[in-house]
Amino acid sequence: NAGVTQTPKFQVLKTGQSMTLQCAQDMNHEYMSWYRQDPGMGLRLIHYSVGAGITDQGEVPNGYNVSRSTTEDFPLRLLSAAPSQTSVYFCASSLLGGDSHNSPLHFGNGTRLTVT
Amino acid sequence: AQSVSQHNHHVILSEAASLELGCNYSYGGTVNLFWYVQYPGQHLQLLLKYFSGDPLVKGIKGFEAEFIKSKFSFNLRKPSVQWSDTAEYFCAVNARLAGRRALTFGSGTRLQVQP
Repeated sequence: NAGVTQTPKFQVLKTGQSMTLQCAQDMNHEYMSWYRQDPGMGLRLIHYSVGAGITDQGEVPNGYNVSRSTTEDFPLRLLSAAPSQTSVYFCASSLLGGDSHNSPLHFGNGTRLTVT
Repeated sequence: AQSVSQHNHHVILSEAASLELGCNYSYGGTVNLFWYVQYPGQHLQLLLKYFSGDPLVKGIKGFEAEFIKSKFSFNLRKPSVQWSDTAEYFCAVNARLAGRRALTFGSGTRLQVQP
């Protein structure tokens, strides 16, 4: 049982380049989300999904796109990278059920992205 | 908007000292509360959680937290810290806002335990 798998672990981009951060989970979790972690700011929610075909914006969605074509995968796309997007990105998932608000998040190991 | 405040940004303690990390949130409705821990170089892991019932919850590794509804607080405590507790600790609040499920994290507290 791999849990939440993120790739790549490290990435360096030049301003204006595009790339996709991959996230996959094998726990049949309905809820998936992307956070960015910056010093002194904790984790901020970028986008999230409550199931295949459903996505919604979080706190800091600008500059990022997501899609959820399957339950397992939730890729995060940067269309035109900017230095302000230098951060550590975490994907997280959880169960959604009748008590959906109580499900703790399972985090991936993170992707450290540097935009020059 | 929902927010979570962790006022201690960096705490340095000696081994065996007692720990209390503050967490306050701003939301008037029903909340679920969490503490996550991030050890150096690792991802976040759940430390403990409060859903309902006894406001004093116990988590892993001897940590506990007390939910005080009147103070909108969920402080984390440990009677005697160890060097291995060196990590960053995040408080998080989960509440339903306008039909959306939202988990908001605090900015984190970096704990450094000196041997």
